[in-house]
This record gives sequence, C-alpha cells and structure tokens, in this order.
Amino acid sequence: SAVISQKPSRDICQRGTSLTIQCQVDSQVTMMFWYRQQPGQSLTLIATANQGSEATYESGFVIDKFPISRPNLTFSTLTVSNMSPEDSSIYLCSVESPRDREGYTFGSGTRLTVV
Amino acid sequence: KQEVTQIPAALSVPEGENLVLNCSFTDSAIYNLQWFRQDPGKGLTSLLLIQSSQREQTSGRLNASLDKSSGRSTLYIAASQPGDSATYLCAVLGTYKYIFGTGTRLKVLA
Repeated sequence: SAVISQKPSRDICQRGTSLTIQCQVDSQVTMMFWYRQQPGQSLTLIATANQGSEATYESGFVIDKFPISRPNLTFSTLTVSNMSPEDSSIYLCSVESPRDREGYTFGSGTRLTVV
Repeated sequence: KQEVTQIPAALSVPEGENLVLNCSFTDSAIYNLQWFRQDPGKGLTSLLLIQSSQREQTSGRLNASLDKSSGRSTLYIAASQPGDSATYLCAVLGTYKYIFGTGTRLKVLA
C-alpha cells in the first residue's frame, strides 16, 4: 500500500494565525483526501484534492478557511487559516492505494491545538 | 444519507478474551468497508478491507465479516492482548468518499 509522510505531527498555534500541513506520498495518486477529527469525534471529510484542478469541498467547509494545494500527483497541502480554538483537531490526509482492492491509506495525522 | 454507527462505544475486557465489535450502516450501496485502528492522538492504521462482493476477511487474530443486506459488519478479535488497546473505526465507501463510524474505544487489561 502507499506510504504517506505527513508534517508536522503536532503544533500549538496562536489564534488568528495559519498553519500549513503537508502530505507526501511515495507513489502517484489521482485523489488525495483531507479529513478533520475533532476531539472525541470521528473523521469528517474536508475536501478532495485532484492534481491540476481546484479542490472539492464538503458541506460546511470553505476554501477561504481551508485552502488546499495539489501541485503534483504525490504532494498536497492543507492550510488552516485564521485559526480559533474550535479548529483544534487532528487533521489527516488519505489516499486510495494505487493498487486495486487495498483500500485507503492514512497519514499519521497532525494534532493541532489553538490557544 | 449514509450513517455509520458502532456499538459499543467503549469496551474494557481482561486479557485473553475473544471480543466482537459491531458496525452498522444505513445504505447498503457500498463499494467496500474498511476497519481501522487508531492509537491516541495518532493517525489510522488499516486492519482489514472487505470488498462489497466479499463476506469476510481474516488477518492473524482479526476476522471481519460483512452482511450488506442487513447493513452490518463485525470485527472479531481473538485472544485479546493489552497491545490491542486502541480505538477501532469502521468506514464504508460509497460513491466517492468514506463515511466513518463513531468508533469503539477498546481497553484490554493485563
């Protein structure tokens, strides 16, 4: 299955600032997915990032708050902008395995705390 | 709208017990179902993937079953160990995205 390197693993940020999270995949993938996991909650899909086009955002998430870049088939970034304490969550990227029937692989997550 | 529910929400068992985690989903039109493990504050590790045409998958002490018609999946863990302590998540893949369950927090006592 694909191997994803996600950075940073954790960060503590001041409210009003922005944080960019990076995901690097060891193989070319068509779609990359960004999820948020709020404390004590399950995962919620933020957006789907395709190379060469704008990301597709799920209901409740907007590009101004969570801009995404996808410059090539192995890399993507998610920025959490103008942060507030409510943005404190674990953020995860995910890809579908390049080989069929292996399901989805997740990065190790970024644990964000906004103070 | 697909909804995924996991029961129980939390479970504490002594080491060595066999246990069953349950996952139910409301829309049977799924592509596959995947079970994940999540350690506190960490990402997800894939445990088992069941395609919609399959009924079960096994890996070591883990066995997952899928009954699409009833909208249910179970994860069976044999001879549980303290290292199995984690949150277990099931996720169903519909048209293009995964919908995650609420998770079962498992604690195996030594």
